[in-house]
Amino acid sequence: QVTLKESGPVLVKPTETLTLTCTVSGFSLSNTRMGVSWIRQPPGKALEWLAAIFSNDEKSYRTSLKSRLTISKDTFESQVVLSMTNMDPVDTATYYCARMYYYDRGYDAFDIWGQGTMVTVSS
Amino acid sequence: DIQMTQSPSSLSASVGDRVTITCRASQSISNYLNWYQQKPGKAPKSLIYAASRLQSGVPSRFSGSGSGTDFTLTISSLQPEDFATYYCQQSYSTPPYTFGQGTKLEIK
Repeated sequence: QVTLKESGPVLVKPTETLTLTCTVSGFSLSNTRMGVSWIRQPPGKALEWLAAIFSNDEKSYRTSLKSRLTISKDTFESQVVLSMTNMDPVDTATYYCARMYYYDRGYDAFDIWGQGTMVTVSS
Repeated sequence: DIQMTQSPSSLSASVGDRVTITCRASQSISNYLNWYQQKPGKAPKSLIYAASRLQSGVPSRFSGSGSGTDFTLTISSLQPEDFATYYCQQSYSTPPYTFGQGTKLEIK
């Protein structure tokens, strides 16, 4: 059974750095047909993709947040970590990690999602 | 970045109704279009990828179509468990992966 589970602080102060961990099971982070993304959702709003990491350790980031984001993985521990610096109240959201699965002909989708973790930014 | 626009933003329907949700891309994305269902307080669930391919385990009352810039998600006969918010997402030109703003499907 494939699962992803997010963990991290519930509350961070403005200007602090947020560090979230996604622990996966049921698949390997070295599988070339899979990657992991972080996606967030402010309360009552739409989904917003943040960052992705692929089996070859290639990374990609949302351009507008690139200077604040770092994604990394530990294949042996089956964990993907997202760091976001200089947190602001507008970053209050539920943060999800999701598996990216690569089908034929270059199609991909976020096929399995974690339950999400709500992060509030407040002093 | 490719912008995704869904319509309507919200929709009221009854059990048994046929419902169609539309998603439009700001430029052609071929058929690199995915659909997700999200229930309140829950993570999104993948329904359809490549515009029309159902994920394993998704009921056949869900179907997707379209290519280029215009796409639709159709539910042929609404069931009580289908009332949720639906999102489209393009995977043609990434990063970034972009989502629509969502369509909330409510009980009439």
